Amino acid sequence: DQQVKQNSPSLSVQEGRISILNCDYTNSMFDYFLWYKKYPAEGPTFLISISSIKDKNEDGRFTVFLNKSAKHLSLHIVPSQPGDSAVYFCAAGDYLINSGGSNYKLTFGKGTLLTVNP
Amino acid sequence: ETGVTQSPTHLIKTRGQQVTLRCSSQSGHNTVSWYQQALGQGPQFIFQYYREEENGRGNFPPRFSGLQFPNYSSELNVNALELDDSALYLCASSPGTGGRETQYFGPGTRLLVL
Repeated sequence: DQQVKQNSPSLSVQEGRISILNCDYTNSMFDYFLWYKKYPAEGPTFLISISSIKDKNEDGRFTVFLNKSAKHLSLHIVPSQPGDSAVYFCAAGDYLINSGGSNYKLTFGKGTLLTVNP
Repeated sequence: ETGVTQSPTHLIKTRGQQVTLRCSSQSGHNTVSWYQQALGQGPQFIFQYYREEENGRGNFPPRFSGLQFPNYSSELNVNALELDDSALYLCASSPGTGGRETQYFGPGTRLLVL
């Protein structure tokens, strides 16, 4: 049962154009969403996050949009650069209520490979 | 300020053996979480430690265990290795109590079980 889904395994865009990466989730208890970028042989690097009380967060070339009613979020990269080529993971956070503690865990999608062509 | 580091980078074990993976969190980060990333999948939550106590775990059996030390280092131990344990193991540290906050990942340890 995949609670966070990234339905596009790959995306290819031209340098300078917009990249749009999509993510859907099923668990309405998720209250915090993050995007991570991962290069080969490196760990995921935090990019941008958004709280469930907002619908948009912007940081330079990166903007994340959240549509709670549709349980959908997207990451926009404008303009795309060749250095943005990487695997992008969508992650959603919630509390592990059966832990007996205050554990907050992240649930990840399978990732989307973005290739930005010069 | 150094980031999150992990050792070793690669490891090969045989089925039934035991393995210990190590992580050094960012200085000042009290919480460490461990994730398993199988090939073609996203990272999957194993467990989390806060100030040397397990703070919750995901759907992993008890043969996956951990330790966290006062010097911001931690370990993931896996007993009775199975072929399906082959994966990239990631640790992530965060500054707070393990609540809603950004987690910062290390480069991972790639484990191959033969």
